[in-house]
Amino acid sequence: GEDVEQSLFLSVREGDSSVINCTYTDSSSTYLYWYKQEPGAGLQLLTYIFSNMDMKQDQRLTVLLNKKDKHLSLRIADTQTGDSAIYFCAESMISGNTPLVFGKGTRLSVIA
Amino acid sequence: DGGITQSPKYLFRKEGQNVTLSCEQNLNHDAMYWYRQDPGQGLRLIYYSQIVNDFQKGDIAEGYSVSREKKESFPLTVTSAQKNPTAFYLCASSTGVIQPQHFGDGTRLSIL
Repeated sequence: GEDVEQSLFLSVREGDSSVINCTYTDSSSTYLYWYKQEPGAGLQLLTYIFSNMDMKQDQRLTVLLNKKDKHLSLRIADTQTGDSAIYFCAESMISGNTPLVFGKGTRLSVIA
Repeated sequence: DGGITQSPKYLFRKEGQNVTLSCEQNLNHDAMYWYRQDPGQGLRLIYYSQIVNDFQKGDIAEGYSVSREKKESFPLTVTSAQKNPTAFYLCASSTGVIQPQHFGDGTRLSIL
């Protein structure tokens, strides 16, 4: 079955890099997504990576995918207080007939 | 601007009452979803619809009902059978089931 695991909390100092980790169990994933949720709001798509890629960079965000270990990470460079939020990873299945599977989310706290 | 609109932002339900949450999208997306979010629980899928006049149960459909009479609308009814309805409800849409989902800003439902 599908399962996506994330650690629940991460605390970093402003200006440092943040690394949010995610593991998934279904080796037939096609796309893997990172979403950001600010308090009282919906989820905002940050970035995504196709399963045949190892890395994707988008400004301060770097996504790394280790298919062998089924491990996905999101690195935020020069973390700012505005990055404080909950970050969700999600995977889509190659079968194409079931919705995305979301992790429980990692709450990132940025200390000034 | 294209997007997803959820209304109302806050909703209160009396005991034994059914309430309906609205979700409208103008993104021309075929698929729409309803999630429930409780603290520390992440997102749990209630119902989803891949096409007009068709919908499938998610992981926690009991006590909820939906309809999909129009492509742009996917209302969720929280029935009196749902004994613990207090939560944050999120609606999303996507072009297809494995494609990235776009989220509304949510409705917070509370019991009076």
